[in-house]
Amino acid sequence: RKEVEQDPGPFNVPEGATVAFNCTYSNSASQSFFWYRQDCRKEPKLLMSVYSSGNEDGRFTAQLNRASQYISLLIRDSKLSDSATYLCVVKSDYGGSQGNLIFGKGTKLSVKP
Amino acid sequence: SQTIHQWPATLVQPVGSPLSLECTVEGTSNPNLYWYRQAAGRGLQLLFYSVGIGQISSEVPQNLSASRPQDRQFILSSKKLLLSDSGFYLCAWSSQGAGEKLFFGSGTQLSVL
Repeated sequence: RKEVEQDPGPFNVPEGATVAFNCTYSNSASQSFFWYRQDCRKEPKLLMSVYSSGNEDGRFTAQLNRASQYISLLIRDSKLSDSATYLCVVKSDYGGSQGNLIFGKGTKLSVKP
Repeated sequence: SQTIHQWPATLVQPVGSPLSLECTVEGTSNPNLYWYRQAAGRGLQLLFYSVGIGQISSEVPQNLSASRPQDRQFILSSKKLLLSDSGFYLCAWSSQGAGEKLFFGSGTQLSVL
């Protein structure tokens, strides 16, 4: 089983739609979780952290399910500008002083007018 | 505010030629520094990270090396490029002790021909 798995998509949705991405992780000891956004041929940028209780930032809601080892990202009222690849990122501590961030391959979202 | 600079943006090199990519960070001191590679259709792969001057950890055996001659300078090098070295190279930094939120440079698209 891969460490971090995401549906690659693409998810093609109309403007205004609600879309959800899931991500599963294999290491049950993982401690921190994030969603990054990456535009085509650009660098990834932190979208939001994912907290155990779930958290919301405007139209974006992130949830964590530790028992099932998955995290989700919900985007409401999709905008054209939301078109991008969304990367699921999990921090797994392998000991020592440096934890390792494991990136999923990303889920591509395309919002159409 | 902190900024990260990475250059060049694109690079086309012949097989067997040397490589030097440079990354500098401004507005912070003693950052953690990272080099990632993103091959087509694949997730980000951590190549090297550094927690201080002259301290380099390699995550995967490869044809590349990294150096940190100054606190906010990170260099990725190769003596002889291989075709398989092609990819999108990203430098990133994070705060010491909080190596979770990564801030990426704009990336270098390397094509080895």
